[in-house]
Amino acid sequence: EVKLVESGGDLVKPGGSLRVACAASGFTINTEWIAWVRQAPGKGLEWVGRIKSQRDGGTTAFAAPVNGRFTISRDDSKNTLYLQMSSLRTEDTAIYYCTIMRGPGANDYGLTWGQGTLVTVSS
Amino acid sequence: QSVLTQPPSVSGAPGQRVTISCTGSSSNLGAPYDVHWYQQLPGAAPKLLISGNMNRPSGVPDRFSGSKSGTSASLANTGLQPEDEADYYCQSYDSGLRTWVFGGGTKLTVL
Repeated sequence: EVKLVESGGDLVKPGGSLRVACAASGFTINTEWIAWVRQAPGKGLEWVGRIKSQRDGGTTAFAAPVNGRFTISRDDSKNTLYLQMSSLRTEDTAIYYCTIMRGPGANDYGLTWGQGTLVTVSS
Repeated sequence: QSVLTQPPSVSGAPGQRVTISCTGSSSNLGAPYDVHWYQQLPGAAPKLLISGNMNRPSGVPDRFSGSKSGTSASLANTGLQPEDEADYYCQSYDSGLRTWVFGGGTKLTVL
């Protein structure tokens, strides 16, 4: 069974850093494009960023509000993806989901989603 | 303010037909990029409901259907069930932002 499990969410002070993880099972994570999507409390979904598969170069892209503050990396030995967040702001408070991107080119979508991990930025 | 516009809420009685609209612009739905729909049950993660405008993944009941025309799209439920009470989101790609964009979500209430 293909599964994603996020972990590492925590309470962090503004300006702080946090790394959340997305562990994959049932498939090899570096063979897929993976996106991070967040959802602020009581709000809608917001695309955060994505990493391409290893075969497609493994490059990353981010939404404007997090560009330069967030990075995505992989640990192939653990079949796990990481979202490293720095210079955190209160508006980064959200549940963070990872999802397998599937579909042709820019017409892709989130096929399988993890259960999410809550990141709270507050003093 | 979401790039794609959805009504905040819709409702209907069991067995009734309801539709949820999703309106975009020439840089997303009108480009034309596909629209995809997700269902989010209370306290759960989003789940893919419709991909590529009208395709239902395996396991999605056939009472759900999707359509798209120009800068607008719709999700239809032709026979409401109590378990369909959830939030629904449309998603596409925007060529100006170069990112996925979502609608603000629509809360479906089964009366």
